[in-house]
Amino acid sequence: TQLLEQSPQFLSIQEGENLTVYCNSSSVFSSLQWYRQEPGEGPVLLVTVVTGGEVKKLKRLTFQFGDARKDSSLHITAAQPGDTGLYLCAGDEVDYKLSFGAGTTVTVRA
Amino acid sequence: NAGVTQTPKFQVLKTGQSMTLQCAQDMNHNSMYWYRQDPGMGLRLIYYSASEGTTDKGEVPNGYNVSRLNKREFSLRLESAAPSQTSVYFCATVRRISTDTQYFGPGTRLTVL
Repeated sequence: TQLLEQSPQFLSIQEGENLTVYCNSSSVFSSLQWYRQEPGEGPVLLVTVVTGGEVKKLKRLTFQFGDARKDSSLHITAAQPGDTGLYLCAGDEVDYKLSFGAGTTVTVRA
Repeated sequence: NAGVTQTPKFQVLKTGQSMTLQCAQDMNHNSMYWYRQDPGMGLRLIYYSASEGTTDKGEVPNGYNVSRLNKREFSLRLESAAPSQTSVYFCATVRRISTDTQYFGPGTRLTVL
């Protein structure tokens, strides 16, 4: 059973459109991370959110951590083909461990 | 700096064969992890080493063993490979605590026939 549920599983949009990816759990996390993974490579960290209600912006990417620290969202404005990839959320468990969601595969068509 | 390196990049085994996946980091990080990634399952933790000299089981440790050889190296061994172990294996490191950035290696794609 996945501790973190990501939705949707797949997302295909046209360049210039907006998209939102969701990450939900029944557990409370002290922090939550978002990674992006390209084919044939390992995941790369995009952002870490720590405080409930926190909003972080990274250029066209906006990350939000829920007030109760159980959920998070990633919003991309005016998506570009370079945003194509697998987006993974990961929650901070105890004892140095992260629990990952199954991922959302995003395809941005030119 | 190479960051996190993994060898081999690809491997095909027959059922019952054994092999060791190697991971090395030059980032002077304390904690190291082994994950497997399967379609639709995300990354699942196999084993981790919070610091040199310690190892602990993760979510899916059955069929695997690990060795933290020194601060730089953390190996994953499959004693008797099974088709269910066909997966992509990633090694990751973090400086000290899990809220720090995890740095991943490029992965080892393993197929067990």
